[in-house]
Amino acid sequence: GENVEQHPSTLSVQEGDSAVIKCTYSDSASNYFPWYKQELGKRPQLIIDIRSNVGEKKDQRIAVTLNKTAKHFSLHITETQPEDSAVYFCAAGESGGSYIPTFGRGTSLIVHP
Amino acid sequence: NAGVTQTPKFQVLKTGQSMTLQCAQDMNHEYMSWYRQDPGMGLRLIHYSVGAGITDQGEVPNGYNVSRSTTEDFPLRLLSAAPSQTSVYFCAIRPGGTDTQYFGPGTRLTVL
Repeated sequence: GENVEQHPSTLSVQEGDSAVIKCTYSDSASNYFPWYKQELGKRPQLIIDIRSNVGEKKDQRIAVTLNKTAKHFSLHITETQPEDSAVYFCAAGESGGSYIPTFGRGTSLIVHP
Repeated sequence: NAGVTQTPKFQVLKTGQSMTLQCAQDMNHEYMSWYRQDPGMGLRLIHYSVGAGITDQGEVPNGYNVSRSTTEDFPLRLLSAAPSQTSVYFCAIRPGGTDTQYFGPGTRLTVL
C-alpha cells in the first residue's frame, strides 16, 4: 500500500516569512495529491491539490509542487500570517472511483506575529 | 461542509461500553468513510463505503463495525470500548466523479 512521509512535524516562522512542508510517497500509481489545513478544534479542509500531470499549482499565497520522479511534493506558503497557524496534512492516492488517500502525519505550523 | 453531520460532538465512555457514532449526509453521495485522528498520527482510515450495502475495511478496522443500509447514513459502532479508542473521529464524504473529500465536524471520544 501507499506510505506517505511528511516533514517537518513542527515548523515555527516569523510573520512574513515563507514556510515549506514536504511529503514523500511510495506508490508510483498515486496521481492525486491534496493538502488539508486543520485549525485547532476544527475539521480538516482542502486548501489546494495537484495532479500528476502538473508540476506546480498556485493559489494566491500558497503553492504546491510535485516531482514525480523523486516521488515528493511540497506545500509552499509565502508571506505567512498568524491566521496560517494550523496543522497541515498532505495525502496521496490513485485518482478514480476507488480513490482512498493515505495521509501524512501532519505539520504544525506556528506563525509568530 | 458538503452537508455532513456527526453526532455526538463529545462522548465519554467507560471501558467495555458500547456506542454508535452517527454520520449523516443529505446530498446523496455514494462514498463515505470514517477516520480517527490521534496526535502525531495523522488521519487513519477505519472503514469506508462506496454505496448502500457495500463496506470495506481501512487501515485500522479492529474494534469497529460499520453498516450502510441507506445512502444517507454511515454509523460507526464500538462494541466494547477500550482506552486505545480514545480519539477524534471524522466522517468524510466524497462527491461522485471527484477525488475531494469533505470532513464532518468530528466526534471527540474519551474511553476511561
